[in-house]
Amino acid sequence: DVKVTQSSRYLVKRTGEKVFLECVQDMDHENMFWYRQDPGLGLRLIYFSYDVKMKEKGDIPEGYSVSREKKERFSLILESASTNQTSMYLCASSFTPSGLEAFFGQGTRLTVV
Amino acid sequence: GDSVTQMEGPVTLSEEAFLTINCTYTATGYPSLFWYVQYPGEGLQLLLKATKADDKGSNKGFEATYRKETTSFHLEKGSVQVSDSAVYFCAPGSSYGKLTFGQGTILTVHP
Repeated sequence: DVKVTQSSRYLVKRTGEKVFLECVQDMDHENMFWYRQDPGLGLRLIYFSYDVKMKEKGDIPEGYSVSREKKERFSLILESASTNQTSMYLCASSFTPSGLEAFFGQGTRLTVV
Repeated sequence: GDSVTQMEGPVTLSEEAFLTINCTYTATGYPSLFWYVQYPGEGLQLLLKATKADDKGSNKGFEATYRKETTSFHLEKGSVQVSDSAVYFCAPGSSYGKLTFGQGTILTVHP
């Protein structure tokens, strides 16, 4: 069974902390993504990576960075957490052909206080 | 860039009712189209997809047809069940498998 695993289901962090969200996939997918989900806004792409050490900004990259040192792992970093980054974060992975589906992790609900 | 307009929710239906959730999109070229579903407390999972014009995707009684002329991909089910209660997302795909999501439609089905 294919799997995308996010390291935490729930996180509570303080304003100004550096926060790491980790995602691992076991399908040897080239592409990995970080989305943010907010009510009424759907999912918005923060960053994606199409190869090891390669990354591109999505629609809302401000306040975030990413790291992909190994093919199976993609990390989202909040350099200095703020309350407006309280949200559900979803990781996904896919093969390159656009007709193939993306597989999602279970999500991390982050609360910044 | 790409964009998606989904039917406003929430949608509340009785069991065995007919469901339609409208989705229209703007995108460059002819993208693959997807419907994803999110059950309470879970991540997204693929419900169905269509990769070219006039293709019909289907799964678990749900169907959607890729309409190039109207840039639409409406989701339908003839008889909903309580277990279909979830949030449904329409999304065209683009390069590298990126997805552009609509705002999601919350469906609640009552017995």
